[in-house]
Amino acid sequence: EDKVVQSPLSLVVHEGDTVTLNCSYEVTNFRSLLWYKQEKKAPTFLFMLTSSGIEKKSGRLSSILDKKELFSILNITATQTGDSAIYLCAVGRKTSYDKVIFGPGTSLSVIP
Amino acid sequence: NAGVTQTPKFRVLKTGQSMTLLCAQDMNHEYMYWYRQDPGMGLRLIHYSVGEGTTAKGEVPDGYNVSRLKKQNFLLGLESAAPSQTSVYFCASRQGAGDTQYFGPGTRLTVL
Repeated sequence: EDKVVQSPLSLVVHEGDTVTLNCSYEVTNFRSLLWYKQEKKAPTFLFMLTSSGIEKKSGRLSSILDKKELFSILNITATQTGDSAIYLCAVGRKTSYDKVIFGPGTSLSVIP
Repeated sequence: NAGVTQTPKFRVLKTGQSMTLLCAQDMNHEYMYWYRQDPGMGLRLIHYSVGEGTTAKGEVPDGYNVSRLKKQNFLLGLESAAPSQTSVYFCASRQGAGDTQYFGPGTRLTVL
């Protein structure tokens, strides 16, 4: 059965800390891995990763994929209170363009 | 562009009542999805549609029905609401190629 696992499930850090969120997957016919940020409402897209070893970066956020070990990490440097959110990992499959599988999410709280 | 919109934003039902949630998108996307989100469980796919006039079951379809009579609208119906259907419901859409989904703001449903 295809699945996506995230760790930790929740995390509390202080402003300025660096955090690493983990996503591992067991999915047949992997096509892409996506990261979303969910604050109070709708998830918003962060990154889509399809190739191993190529880092994607946006400001203080970065992510990388390891297709051999079947995982991805999302790094956030110099965290701010505005980074507090649930971070969702999802995996798309080649044979199923119509669906992606979501992990349970990591709830990040950044305290001043 | 409004993107993906959902109505209503909140609703309280009594057990056994029925209701319809409306999702609308103005991006001319082919694919539309309904998810429910419960604490610690991430996003779970209820039903989806790969085009106007088509629908298919997702991971947790029981107790729900959907219709896609127009390309821009995707309706989710609960015929006889149960307390287990208390959740936050998200609609999403995407283009035919690629996996990035765009989410609506969500509907918080409570069934008493």
